[in-house]
Amino acid sequence: EVHLVESGGGLVQPGGSLRLSCAASGFTFNTYEMNWVRQAPGKGLEWVSYISSSGSTIYYADSVKGRFTISRDNAKNSLYLQMNSLRAEDTAVYYCARRGWEPDVWGKGTTVTVSS
Amino acid sequence: SSELTQDPAVSVALGQTVRITCQGDSLRRYYASWYQQKPGQAPALVIYGKNNRPSGIPDRFSGSSSGNTASLTITGAQAEDEADYYCNSRDSSGNQLLFGGGTKLTVL
Repeated sequence: EVHLVESGGGLVQPGGSLRLSCAASGFTFNTYEMNWVRQAPGKGLEWVSYISSSGSTIYYADSVKGRFTISRDNAKNSLYLQMNSLRAEDTAVYYCARRGWEPDVWGKGTTVTVSS
Repeated sequence: SSELTQDPAVSVALGQTVRITCQGDSLRRYYASWYQQKPGQAPALVIYGKNNRPSGIPDRFSGSSSGNTASLTITGAQAEDEADYYCNSRDSSGNQLLFGGGTKLTVL
């Protein structure tokens, strides 16, 4: 069965950093593009970042460009999101999602709270 | 334009048909996908491509597109279909993923 499990969320002060991880299982991870998508409390879905299957192509939403870095380790079947210079508006549930432009499988999410 | 626009809320009587729409310039070039999200759960893909349903999605869900508007139709809405629905597509540049603001569906 296909599974995506996010981890690494938590409470962080404004200006701080967090690294999110997404562990994939049940499919050939290195053949799939991946995304991070977030959802602020009571709000809609917001795409954060995309990475190609090899990691050679990466895109970011303007709201996180220069602060967040997406990466993957295909040997470990894992996706990552390094988040620096965090702001209150980055508070959200962060989901990893499989398959680039039409995400078909989503994890349950990990919660990031940016507050002093 | 780099936005997808959805009506915030729609209601339907049990067993009736409802259409949820999504408008945006990028839809002239790319198909929309549709997601169902119930409270406290992750989004679930219900329609992708021209009109494709992932395994396990009932055939009462269907998708269509015309010009800059994509539609999700639920034929014979059930109580369990009450949820938030989001459309998405690539933006016109092809290197960003857009989501609509979501439509809250109430089944009466």
